[in-house]
Amino acid sequence: NAGVMQNPRHLVRRRGQEARLRCSPMKGHSHVYWYRQLPEEGLKFMVYLQKENIIDESGMPKERFSAEFPKEGPSILRIQQVVRGDSAAYFCASSLGQEGYNEQFFGPGTRLTVL
Amino acid sequence: AQSVTQLGSHVSVSEGALVLLRCNYSSSVPPYLFWYVQYPNQGLQLLLKYTSAATLVKGINGFEAEFKKSETSFHLTKPSAHMSDAAEYFCAVSRTGAGSYQLTFGKGTKLSVIP
Repeated sequence: NAGVMQNPRHLVRRRGQEARLRCSPMKGHSHVYWYRQLPEEGLKFMVYLQKENIIDESGMPKERFSAEFPKEGPSILRIQQVVRGDSAAYFCASSLGQEGYNEQFFGPGTRLTVL
Repeated sequence: AQSVTQLGSHVSVSEGALVLLRCNYSSSVPPYLFWYVQYPNQGLQLLLKYTSAATLVKGINGFEAEFKKSETSFHLTKPSAHMSDAAEYFCAVSRTGAGSYQLTFGKGTKLSVIP
């Protein structure tokens, strides 16, 4: 059973470009979460999605960031017009259910570097 | 609102010595508590979780943690450190009930094991 897949593992963008991060959840999981890890910090919740629905985006910056989880295909985290402060590791997690006792399985992350 | 404090950003122990990583939390409602381990350039792996059952929780790789409500603590221990335990460890909390999917992480503790 393949784990959570993320690609690319490393992404380099220049300021003003767009970054698209992809996440394929574990088989059978319909709940997807995105977290951001800044250097020397813990992970911070960004958004929670189910198929075709954004359930909670309270942790997502209001501008330039968007997320989707289409009916078919991976979940996408999109960052428009990247700035240096967007440099971070972005982790995707998936779970069987949304209740807190359900384990969230994490992918290996995408490390975004903005030049 | 919830928060997690991990005392000590770096901890060094000798191989075979006791591992003790400290975690204190604040939560307005009974929490779920988790410990995750992160190896370099990898995602997070769940070590153990507390979901209001037994207060002493046993996890993988010989780790355990005890939930102490009076001290609002959830410290992670392992009787005898192994070289392979060198990694970064994150304590996380989520609320019970609505919104329990949202994990709040501490800043992490890097564990070094000295031969």
